[in-house]
Amino acid sequence: DGGITQSPKYLFRKEGQNVTLSCEQNLNHDAMYWYRQDPGQGLRLIYYSQIVNDFQKGDIAEGYSVSREKKESFPLTVTSAQKNPTAFYLCASSYSGRTEAFFGQGTRLTVV
Amino acid sequence: AQSVTQLGSHVSVSEGALVLLRCNYSSSVPPYLFWYVQYPNQGLQLLLKYTSAATLVKGINGFEAEFKKSETSFHLTKPSAHMSDAAEYFCAVSGSSNTGKLIFGQGTTLQVKP
Repeated sequence: DGGITQSPKYLFRKEGQNVTLSCEQNLNHDAMYWYRQDPGQGLRLIYYSQIVNDFQKGDIAEGYSVSREKKESFPLTVTSAQKNPTAFYLCASSYSGRTEAFFGQGTRLTVV
Repeated sequence: AQSVTQLGSHVSVSEGALVLLRCNYSSSVPPYLFWYVQYPNQGLQLLLKYTSAATLVKGINGFEAEFKKSETSFHLTKPSAHMSDAAEYFCAVSGSSNTGKLIFGQGTTLQVKP
């Protein structure tokens, strides 16, 4: 079945550590996105990529980094510079242009 | 710039009652609009979308939404609520650029009482 796979579902991080969230899609979509979800704040865009080896900052990119070496994969690294990383992270993908996005099941990151 | 406002962070209805979730948008270009549903600890699932064709859009699970340009609204409705409709609902607008970025509202939690 085609879809978007995020792993792990739950992730715990100690303060000062970097962690990487995985996102893989087999929908042959060109564009991929990372959103952060906090209670009462909707979804906020962290980074997006429209093509391999290219990506752009979203609204809240500070403390995060991404790579897009393959069309299918768009991993997100939460660095130690992100002061409040505890959140639910959602990866999405879409065809190019103004169209709907398809979402993965999310990764819940908790700082311990 | 685009923005979305969802009126009411929590809506409570009785089972069998009408569901109305409100969404107003701001857009400098003709908007593409979307409604998504999210169940606890899950991703978002597309309910329906408006992309400048018919103004009344029908989606999955009996939901529909009407695009009203004069009111800059895209409210979501369902004639009769089911317990399984209890979830969080997000309205989104496609950005003015051709990037596919979506701008989301704050979300509305729908509670369905027996």
